[in-house]
Amino acid sequence: QSALTQEASVSGTVGQRVTLSCSGNINNIGKFTVAWYKATSHGAPKTVMFGNSLPSGIPDRFSASKSETTASLTISGLQPEDEADYFCSSWDYDLIGVVFGGGTKLTVL
Amino acid sequence: DVQLVESGGGQTQAGGSLRLSCAVSGFALRNHAMHWVRRAPGKGLEWVSSISGSGSNSYYADSVKGRFTISRDNFNNTLFLQMNSLRAADTAVYLCARDPHYWPGGSSSIDYWGQGTLVTVSS
Repeated sequence: QSALTQEASVSGTVGQRVTLSCSGNINNIGKFTVAWYKATSHGAPKTVMFGNSLPSGIPDRFSASKSETTASLTISGLQPEDEADYFCSSWDYDLIGVVFGGGTKLTVL
Repeated sequence: DVQLVESGGGQTQAGGSLRLSCAVSGFALRNHAMHWVRRAPGKGLEWVSSISGSGSNSYYADSVKGRFTISRDNFNNTLFLQMNSLRAADTAVYLCARDPHYWPGGSSSIDYWGQGTLVTVSS
């Protein structure tokens, strides 16, 4: 069982806005930076957000927010190439290490 | 361009050992904390280990503590993961990843990833 909780699956149509959530506790998301990663079945994962920073090459359709112990990744103007698994992560004060969410499978209909 | 290239994966039996390497280019390794993350077939991402820029501090997931050792050679721009007493549950693609910061910790995240190297452990 993952330390951070994400929806198993989310779907949306092209052009739609979707929000993925990541729920933790006071000792991880409540204290520390949250990052988001996009992964497919092949190739290297790609970082789509760390903290409030958008890595170079990531479109500004991606945005992130955090409220207490829950973080969110919002994708506006959904595109077919956004279809992938998305994972959140944070440092954990108790575990003294990085924790990941279980991942959300995003399907673009 | 930042590049991270893992090697050293392969097939081994339970109880065996493997040493993974991650050769980096396009940046000074000494300025960055580094992580190993794995992904088992059909599963999500799992953090394995992290190390500070100098190598003075290292951290491990409970699942690998006492069996795996992370290290680095900043002069030769290479990160390592020594894996001993391997188990079938360690079967996964192992990914090398760069932290934008020097210290693993509260601001830890990953900005660049390698493609990964497959480790298969048969029981």
